[in-house]
Amino acid sequence: GQQVMQIPQYQHVQEGEDFTTYCNSSTTLSNIQWYKQRPGGHPVFLIQLVKSGEVKKQKRLTFQFGEAKKNSSLHITATQTTDVGTYFCAGPYYNQGGKLIFGQGTELSVKP
Amino acid sequence: NAGVTQTPKFRVLKTGQSMTLLCAQDMNHEYMYWYRQDPGMGLRLIHYSVGEGTTAKGEVPDGYNVSRLKKQNFLLGLESAAPSQTSVYFCASSSGQPQFFGPGTRLTVL
Repeated sequence: GQQVMQIPQYQHVQEGEDFTTYCNSSTTLSNIQWYKQRPGGHPVFLIQLVKSGEVKKQKRLTFQFGEAKKNSSLHITATQTTDVGTYFCAGPYYNQGGKLIFGQGTELSVKP
Repeated sequence: NAGVTQTPKFRVLKTGQSMTLLCAQDMNHEYMYWYRQDPGMGLRLIHYSVGEGTTAKGEVPDGYNVSRLKKQNFLLGLESAAPSQTSVYFCASSSGQPQFFGPGTRLTVL
């Protein structure tokens, strides 16, 4: 069945270091979405990428959608303690409306 | 706007007890979803609804039932709770994409 894999599962960084999480789908996606979940919180939508090869930036966060629309990455430059949390990618199930399949998430911890 | 709300926030059940989790949204969204989140497993879809009066099974539906009698509400029921249903439950709603999540219900089954 359709799968979305995310690596790494955990990442521990020193404040100021960069961080990247990767997302790979078993099928071509119409779009890819990224969510952030703070410890003890709920997932919050960050961004959606739609076009092949698309790159979007939100301050220190850079999101990329692969040319084949099967992979994506989130890169954080110069991490801060406020970046702590779990980052999920999600892609729509093929032809099933708003249903999403989520990656397992990457948990980021930042040491001050 | 409150967005998506969930009640209760916490609950402890004994094996075999039943309970209902309530999700409400005030964004007039057509789609609503119930997920469970377990360590290392990400978010797994239990049931979902594409409109008032309709429901469908997700990835892990066994042991759960749902109802969507009103557009703004989506109820998740556990008829006979089992320890394997100890989890954090999130409700979400959307008008397509993206999805907006509620604060979650932390359920422990002893």
